[in-house]
Amino acid sequence: AQKVTQAQTEISVVEKEDVTLDCVYETRDTTYYLFWYKQPPSGELVFLIRRNSFDEQNEISGRYSWNFQKSTSSFNFTITASQVVDSAVYFCALSEGEGAQKLVFGQGTRLTINP
Amino acid sequence: ETGVTQSPTHLIKTRGQQVTLRCSSQSGHNTVSWYQQALGQGPQFIFQYYREEENGRGNFPPRFSGLQFPNYSSELNVNALELDDSALYLCASSLPGQLITQYFGPGTRLLVL
Repeated sequence: AQKVTQAQTEISVVEKEDVTLDCVYETRDTTYYLFWYKQPPSGELVFLIRRNSFDEQNEISGRYSWNFQKSTSSFNFTITASQVVDSAVYFCALSEGEGAQKLVFGQGTRLTINP
Repeated sequence: ETGVTQSPTHLIKTRGQQVTLRCSSQSGHNTVSWYQQALGQGPQFIFQYYREEENGRGNFPPRFSGLQFPNYSSELNVNALELDDSALYLCASSLPGQLITQYFGPGTRLLVL
């Protein structure tokens, strides 16, 4: 069965600090995809990144970076030099197989960046 | 800008009533999925439509039903509303050639009293 666990319910840091959001997943499939979405107070889920199970290369996009480790079934997200605008709820999600499959989401981590 | 819109933005209903939520995506978005997000929770998959046919369903009762139309719009219908149906309902669509990534609309907040 698919499962995504985000153990950190809430994180609060001061602006310019680095922060890492943890995500651990469970799946029996060898082909799967992992995602991170950002949900600001407006409610819309904003797509940030997708990784497939065959690509463990870490990715950096500006202040954002992602660490995918199959050995520990983890897909962690780091924000460097955090800013107030990064405050939001962040969701990690998993889909199995090819095509537009259902997304299984974690419970989310509420990140608050204080000025 | 995802090109996915939803209406209405907010809705208040009473228990036992029926509700229809709407989603519109850009031309070529063949796949549409609906999710329910209760307060403080992650979104839960309701069902998915591909080329106007249901293509997968989550653990939701039959009173949750949907339609997808040839113009890439979609509806979520919920009959016999219960208090626990109060949630944010999100519609997501995939781009042609990029089926794997789903892009979400702004959602409809439903309150059942």
